[in-house]
Amino acid sequence: QSALTQPASVSGSPGQSITISCTGTNNDVGNYNLVSWYQHHPGKAPKLIIYEVIKRPSGVSNRFSGSKSGNTASLTISGLQTEDEADYYCCSYAGSFTWVLFGGGTKLTVL
Amino acid sequence: EVQLLESGGGLVQPGGSLRLSCADSGLSFSTYAMNWVRQAPGKGLEWVSVIRGRDGTAYYADSVKGRFTISRDKSKNTLYLQMNSLRTEDTAVYYCARDPCGNGLCHYWYFDLWGRGTLVTVSS
Repeated sequence: QSALTQPASVSGSPGQSITISCTGTNNDVGNYNLVSWYQHHPGKAPKLIIYEVIKRPSGVSNRFSGSKSGNTASLTISGLQTEDEADYYCCSYAGSFTWVLFGGGTKLTVL
Repeated sequence: EVQLLESGGGLVQPGGSLRLSCADSGLSFSTYAMNWVRQAPGKGLEWVSVIRGRDGTAYYADSVKGRFTISRDKSKNTLYLQMNSLRTEDTAVYYCARDPCGNGLCHYWYFDLWGRGTLVTVSS
């Protein structure tokens, strides 16, 4: 099964808001509320920032929020900061046999 | 603070084998499901495999099924990935990652703790 579809890159200025989309199918994103998002600075361990579509782990800024509509999940980052510059990946449970799918990743540039 | 540390990566020829390890600094692998996730150069993340903590039930991505085997040694709190019949397309940084469902038999299907990865290069 193909990876989830994310835009390759997005950009924004400090203080602005951006949204990253993650499009799957009704076999994964559309069928389960098991979408998660990860922030990855190259060379470091990926970091969980959203799980189960909308939940935020303890310690993650409330500037990060998640949502889902149909087969598309979204990550919104408000009040952009320079340290938000990183790669962002969505992930979804995809049922038995496929199990887990990741998106191709989105590079966020804070101008 | 719980940490995961991968090791065992390196250069291997196509068709060869390699065993990766992931050691924790405090969590019990019998409690959590543990995963391997990889990232090929210039590519996104790809889920590889998971093993349940209590009963050892394992699942694999189609791309590695029949070639890779996930296992864990509870006495050593270490997770393994035995990789056989390696292909050039297996070249990647391999991460171990924890699923936080904590009864040993369940999955939440997200990953709350990751290591920093170990690089596997398959090339002649």
